[in-house]
Amino acid sequence: QVQLQESGPGLVKPSQTLSLTCTVSGGSISSGSYYWSWIRQPAGKGLEWIGRVYTSGNTNYNPSLKSRVTISVDTSKNQFSLKLSSVSAADTAVYYCARDNYGGDIYGLDVWGQGTTVTVSS
Amino acid sequence: EIVLTQSPATLSLSPGERATLSCRASQSVSSYLAWYQQKPGQAPRLLIYDASNRATDIPARFSGSGSGTDFTLTISSLEPEDFAVYYCQQRNNWPSTFGQGTRLEIK
Repeated sequence: QVQLQESGPGLVKPSQTLSLTCTVSGGSISSGSYYWSWIRQPAGKGLEWIGRVYTSGNTNYNPSLKSRVTISVDTSKNQFSLKLSSVSAADTAVYYCARDNYGGDIYGLDVWGQGTTVTVSS
Repeated sequence: EIVLTQSPATLSLSPGERATLSCRASQSVSSYLAWYQQKPGQAPRLLIYDASNRATDIPARFSGSGSGTDFTLTISSLEPEDFAVYYCQQRNNWPSTFGQGTRLEIK
């Protein structure tokens, strides 16, 4: 059973770069038909899809964040990562990594990490 | 960007009652709509994909319907564990977007 786990600093200073990693366990990140995604949720608010990466390295980013986001994949470590530059308080949120399944048996975000809280503050 | 509008914002019902949640899209998303359940302090859980298909291990009391711009999630008889926030999500256009959520609370 595939599991995802986010890791990274819980506190980032304004104007700096937020960096998070998602480790995939219980299966290979390269197998199957999946996009590997980052989604965030400010406290008490809704969900925002940041972007996703294929194991080929191809990416899709939310246009609202595209100028500041980089998502990459390291198949040798079974991980994918998020970098968000020039952060401000508006980027304070719970950040989730998730598996977006398009394999034909099911479609959607079918596996999620537990989420990690990132606070932007000096 | 496709905007998804969920209604009502809050729904107050008792266990055993039927719940009907609505999601309306600003333009057609065909049948590419999913529903998620989120409990406090937890990640969302996929309930329904492509408008009407239950995800793995989702009880039969959850059902979805609709196409185009209007969608419904129905919970036929509420169990205590069903009280949570529900989100719809479209994957017809990138960026994929979520509704603002419906909070289902115990009356």
